Amino acid sequence: DAGITQSPRHKVTETGTPVTLRCHQTENHRYMYWYRQDPGHGLRLIHYSYGVKDTDKGEVSDGYSVSRSKTEDFLLTLESATSSQTSVYFCAISGTGAATNEKLFFGSGTQLSVL
Amino acid sequence: QQQVKQSPQSLIVQKGGISIINCAYENTAFDYFPWYQQFPGKGPALLIAIRPDVSEKKEGRFTISFNKSAKQFSLHIMDSQPGDSATYFCAASPTGNTPLVFGKGTRLSVIA
Repeated sequence: DAGITQSPRHKVTETGTPVTLRCHQTENHRYMYWYRQDPGHGLRLIHYSYGVKDTDKGEVSDGYSVSRSKTEDFLLTLESATSSQTSVYFCAISGTGAATNEKLFFGSGTQLSVL
Repeated sequence: QQQVKQSPQSLIVQKGGISIINCAYENTAFDYFPWYQQFPGKGPALLIAIRPDVSEKKEGRFTISFNKSAKQFSLHIMDSQPGDSATYFCAASPTGNTPLVFGKGTRLSVIA
């Protein structure tokens, strides 16, 4: 998967607990993204990063925060998990072209269940 | 607010038939239109993409048709095979560094 590793691959947690998902890339791509995938909603952007310590919100950012302290790692944190955040989370990277949208490479996803 | 509307939600096609998935958009600033293919348990992967300066792009059995005036684009899969069974997402974005906006996806099943 183009040098992208998501961890953990599966996680079950309880409502109200904090959760951090990690995305690690070995491609040295500038841009990194977090999407969530839900039946009937497709892929929705949560947050993205256009450089170290440079991040911006996507369309479903409420309840999520991100951090990028180095090029290869992009962390997604659910400060206090809720059942509505049960989803499959995908990390993606891009940056091979002049624009970020030239080609996205996706990780294999993290299945998160909030009970 | 859904910026890219995709249909149908699911599609069943006989082996050897043509699969057609449609997408429509409103934002006239969009000028890059990719399609992504996703197999179960995997992340999406870029399949084919088009820019508005052409009306059609073909790669093997996959063709994108683009109608700028109607603000619509579609994916055609010729001679559909069981191995094409997957979820397909259309997407769009303006030029520059704005992230892609995805449609809701179409689950394609090709039956023998």
